[in-house]
Amino acid sequence: DGGITQSPKYLFRKEGQNVTLSCEQNLNHDAMYWYRQDPGQGLRLIYYSQIVNDFQKGDIAEGYSVSREKKESFPLTVTSAQKNPTAFYLCASSITGQGILGGYTFGSGTRLTVV
Amino acid sequence: GQNIDQPTEMTATEGAIVQINCTYQTSGFNGLFWYQQHAGEAPTFLSYNVLDGLEEKGRFSSFLSRSKGYSYLLLKELQMKDSASYLCAVRDHGRGSTLGRLYFGRGTQLTVWP
Repeated sequence: DGGITQSPKYLFRKEGQNVTLSCEQNLNHDAMYWYRQDPGQGLRLIYYSQIVNDFQKGDIAEGYSVSREKKESFPLTVTSAQKNPTAFYLCASSITGQGILGGYTFGSGTRLTVV
Repeated sequence: GQNIDQPTEMTATEGAIVQINCTYQTSGFNGLFWYQQHAGEAPTFLSYNVLDGLEEKGRFSSFLSRSKGYSYLLLKELQMKDSASYLCAVRDHGRGSTLGRLYFGRGTQLTVWP
């Protein structure tokens, strides 16, 4: 079955360390997105990519970096420059058309905790 | 940016009906989605509206009025498993927006009591 996989589910990071969150999809979707979710804040867009080798900053990109070397993969690196990285991170993908098919399929999320 | 507003919390009892409202402001509306999210899990798709009117799918229905910038999600015959956060999301293809991107409200936490 097609889907979108995030790993790991839980991640602990020491202050000052970079950490990379994995996101892989086999839905043949062109677009991929990274969101951060904090209590009471809703989903905030970090980065997105609509085609391979191209990506754009979202609303809260500072302290994060991404790459899109393959259509299936869109890893997110949380750098030491991110001042408050503890959050629930969601990866999503979609086709770039309109209509109901343009909605998102989400991964199961990664909960990152800085210790 | 887009303004999407929905109540923070709602409560209801098992077997009842609840309506979760969502208002939005966009420059180029191109569809509204409702997602359900249980704590610590991924959001899952519930419904999609792009034209005015009601879309029914089992116990769940969603309504859209584009002229009023308004939608609601109606949940009937509530069950305990319906306790979750409900996210309203709008696709905006207007000026300054990114093609295909969804803008999310903060979510409505619904608690269903026995």
